[in-house]
Amino acid sequence: VQLVESGGGLVQPGKSLKLSCSASGFTFSSYGMHWIRQAPGKGLDWVAYISSSSGTVYADAVKGRFTISRDNAKNTLYLQLNSLKSEDTAIYYCARRALSYWGQGVMVTVSS
Amino acid sequence: DVVMTQTPVSLSLAIGQPASISCKSSQSLVHSDGKTYLSWILQRPGQSPKRLIYLVSKLDSGVPDRFSGSGSETEFTLKISRVEAEDLGVYYCWQATHFPYTFGAGTKLELK
Repeated sequence: VQLVESGGGLVQPGKSLKLSCSASGFTFSSYGMHWIRQAPGKGLDWVAYISSSSGTVYADAVKGRFTISRDNAKNTLYLQLNSLKSEDTAIYYCARRALSYWGQGVMVTVSS
Repeated sequence: DVVMTQTPVSLSLAIGQPASISCKSSQSLVHSDGKTYLSWILQRPGQSPKRLIYLVSKLDSGVPDRFSGSGSETEFTLKISRVEAEDLGVYYCWQATHFPYTFGAGTKLELK
């Protein structure tokens, strides 16, 4: 099992960014997937979940601003981040259902 | 939201000593399907998080049997029978019974 995040970077407040998580080593379409973030020096913060049938749930802090999605043909999970705030600055991890496997994370920095 | 309260905040132990970390939830973690979705996650310094235990007491593959998990309803415990150097890092409990899913604030295990 391998999960590889990409798409992070420095972005201004109010702007958008799209993260990707490329999955391999398992039948991606059969598993729900999570995004979890970690602000610098802080603990883990659950962000969003998408089921194998593409049902979605979000943390209150990101609801209405972030969108989780998946492309099973490409074995890829996405997180669209809109209306970014400084408090969204964090390492973003994707993880497989029940957090059994994690990616290496990708840094998102929101700053002017 | 379910609040996960971990104690202690930090632990300083010598190699070979036992360790115990408590995690208390603000409501029962028994799901309507009868299962209790409580996991323990370890984040070693500079690494991605890794799941150690799921469904309260089930060890992930490759996790040494010096680790054990127990508890029910709202009170859960992670124990290490004899701490080893590779065990240092931050331990998090995580509940996946109620949306939004939530983590404890973490317990930092340091070696004395």
